[in-house]
Amino acid sequence: DQQVKQNSPSLSVQEGRISILNCDYTNSMFDYFLWYKKYPAEGPTFLISISSIKDKNEDGRFTVFLNKSAKHLSLHIVPSQPGDSAVYFCAASATGNQFYFGTGTSLTVIP
Amino acid sequence: GAGVSQSPRYKVAKRGQDVALRCDPISGHVSLFWYQQALGQGPEFLTYFQNEAQLDKSGLPSDRFFAERPEGSVSTLKIQRTQQEDSAVYLCASSLDGGDRGTQYFGPGTRLLVL
Repeated sequence: DQQVKQNSPSLSVQEGRISILNCDYTNSMFDYFLWYKKYPAEGPTFLISISSIKDKNEDGRFTVFLNKSAKHLSLHIVPSQPGDSAVYFCAASATGNQFYFGTGTSLTVIP
Repeated sequence: GAGVSQSPRYKVAKRGQDVALRCDPISGHVSLFWYQQALGQGPEFLTYFQNEAQLDKSGLPSDRFFAERPEGSVSTLKIQRTQQEDSAVYLCASSLDGGDRGTQYFGPGTRLLVL
């Protein structure tokens, strides 16, 4: 049973515009969330995280929003750049170090 | 500095063969994780070490899977009597902090194909 879902397998965005990647989860015990970025033939790279005590965390062009009541988080990339083209995974944790990953969204930023 | 490395990068095994996958974590990292990523899926947790202690192996799919980290650094994931459903990318990650929620740094993975 998939506890973390990314319902959009792919997304295309024009360079300079906003990319919005979405993630839904089912386990109300999840209290820590991360986004990872993955290029082909490489391992995932940590991008940004958010704790459930916050509803927003920002790092440069990347902002993660958390809506606990809707069990939904999103990653906003503004402005999008061609180098952002990659697969993005969201992950969630309830306690400890076990993280549950979504299936990923492949982002293509068109120059 | 050097990141997490994994070897081999690719492995083709015949069904029934035993395989061993190696992970070299970032030097000094306390925690080490193994994940299995099937095609089109996200990584799925297999097991977790803090130093040499295997604290969680709840994700190992069967008793054919075994992981060790005897000296608290390099780890080996062993799969005995491989089956076709074991075909996946096996990712290793390490984190500095032995406590909760340390950022995990991933290796490039070992792509295993069982024929």
